[in-house]
This record gives sequence, C-alpha cells and structure tokens, in this order.
Amino acid sequence: EAQVTQNPRYLITVTGKKLTVTCSQNMNHEYMSWYRQDPGLGLRQIYYSMNVEVTDKGDVPEGYKVSRKEKRNFPLILESPSPNQTSLYFCASSLNSAHSNEKLFFGSGTQLSVL
Amino acid sequence: GDSVTQMEGPVTLSEEAFLTINCTYTATGYPSLFWYVQYPGEGLQLLLKATKADDKGSNKGFEATYRKETTSFHLEKGSVQVSDSAVYFCALNSGAGSYQLTFGKGTKLSVIP
Repeated sequence: EAQVTQNPRYLITVTGKKLTVTCSQNMNHEYMSWYRQDPGLGLRQIYYSMNVEVTDKGDVPEGYKVSRKEKRNFPLILESPSPNQTSLYFCASSLNSAHSNEKLFFGSGTQLSVL
Repeated sequence: GDSVTQMEGPVTLSEEAFLTINCTYTATGYPSLFWYVQYPGEGLQLLLKATKADDKGSNKGFEATYRKETTSFHLEKGSVQVSDSAVYFCALNSGAGSYQLTFGKGTKLSVIP
C-alpha cells in the first residue's frame, strides 16, 4: 500500500532533550516536506527536500534540522526542543519536484508536547 | 509572496444544506490551486485541484472553479452529509521553479443531522 509513515504518533518530552521524528515513504517520491499545524495558523512549512542530499528551509525552520540521505526517509530532528515547538507535525511527499500540479501525500501526523 | 485567505470558521450546517467555503489567493504567475481535506485524527488528503484559469475541479460532490479575474477558488457542495465534517484547506503552488504549497489557515466544517 502506497503511504507516508511517521513515527511516533504521539510524543511527550521535556525541554532540551533531543528527539527525532521519522518519516518514510514507499512511493519513490522525489519531494518530501515537513509541516507543523497550530490552531489558527494552519499548516506552515518547516523544511523541504527536492531529492537526496537536497534540502532547504521553509517558512519556520528555526529549531529544526532535517537530512535526506536516502530517497525514502526524511527525519525531522529537534536538537533542543522548547515548549513553543509543541505542535502537530506532518510529513508529506510528492512524486515529482518540478511539477506544480502534483498532489501531496500526507502522513497521519505526530502530536508533540514539550514540557 | 504567495498567500491564501480562507473564510473564518467554524462553519456549522444541517445535513443536506448548501456549502460554500470562500478562498482567495495572491500569487505571481499562474498558480495551481488545491483543496485538501483533513478528517478528524488523520493527515490531509487531496480533495480536488485546478491547474489553469476557468478549470473546474470536482470530487465527491464538491466543486471549485479557478477564477483568475477574482483570484478565487471557492469550494461548494450542493448537499452536505455528516461524513463531510472535517477541516478544509485551500492551497496554491505558484510553480515558480520549485514545488512548495502555500496553505490557508483552514475552515472547520461540522454537519449536524
């Protein structure tokens, strides 16, 4: 089944404790992206990747890191989480980076709480 | 920069009522326009799209027409069902050399029996 898989689904952590949210897609998609969703703010892009070893900042990259060593995986790393990073996170992928009318496939989300 | 403005929610309708969710956009060039839907506890999924002016996207009884003259892409459905209760996001991709979707803030729809 074609899908984008995120883990974990829920995560509670404390300020300053490094964490990684994993994202994997099985569709051989070129493009992958991370969003955070906050009430009243909608979805905001954190980072995106056009292909292996090609990543770039989105609208709200501060406090996050990403890597794209393999085509299927795009982990989101919080080196020193803070309470303002409490949010619902979504990973998404798309087949072709160059086509503006491609649809995004979304994971089921990761609800992160930083205490 | 690109932006998408959606009508504020939440919207509450009775079953079989007519639905309109307004969406207007600002973008350079000729963007592609999308509506995504998020059901409770799930990720977003594409509902419909339109890639050029006057195109009409449609799916599951929902429709939206790409109006370049009014920079709008309003979502409509003639008769909503309880199962349509969800958050709806309007989005655009300006296609200016890279693939980046800009989302509106979302409109929560609740349909009551």
